[in-house]
Amino acid sequence: GENVEQHPSTLSVQEGDSAVIKCTYSDSASNYFPWYKQELGKGPQLIIDIRSNVGEKKDQRIAVTLNKTAKHFSLHITETQPEDSAVYFCAASDDKIIFGKGTRLHILP
Amino acid sequence: KAGVTQTPRYLIKTRGQQVTLSCSPISGHRSVSWYQQTPGQGLQFLFEYFSETQRNKGNFPGRFSGRQFSNSRSEMNVSTLELGDSALYLCASSWGQGVGDTQYFGPGTRLTVL
Repeated sequence: GENVEQHPSTLSVQEGDSAVIKCTYSDSASNYFPWYKQELGKGPQLIIDIRSNVGEKKDQRIAVTLNKTAKHFSLHITETQPEDSAVYFCAASDDKIIFGKGTRLHILP
Repeated sequence: KAGVTQTPRYLIKTRGQQVTLSCSPISGHRSVSWYQQTPGQGLQFLFEYFSETQRNKGNFPGRFSGRQFSNSRSEMNVSTLELGDSALYLCASSWGQGVGDTQYFGPGTRLTVL
């Protein structure tokens, strides 16, 4: 069935360094790829998304890249800050949406 | 503009009971989707409603049902609760139909089944 694999499950980076989270998906019909950030006690918050007709999108310190041929997409956070500590989820959707299992990002002081 | 609201925020039930959760979308949004979040299975899509019609459904048993009202508010019902139904239930709203539209999540309802 449809599946989204997300790696790593946990990531620790020094404040100021970059963080990269990678996802692969199985359904070639997927055409929308959002990334969500979830803080403790809150619902997921959309931080960036990309559609299948675009290879890269950037919003300040956050960027997402998409390789449709290889069916993988990645989240890049540059100049990480303490407030970036959270759980990040990728997702792939067509009619239905499938989420990755999440990456817990720790920003070390 | 107010965000997505969910009530109640916390709920404790016992096995065999049923429960109804409520979601009020962002004003003007016509689509509401429901998700179940557990440590083991992660975030899983339950169903989506648009203009009072269920547009899509995930792989959950028939004990999970929902509806949407004319004001776009939505309710989700779980009958004959099982221990495994303990989870955070999230709803998300979007302006257009389809989970491919930008979704905004509520804070969730934490359901504990004893």
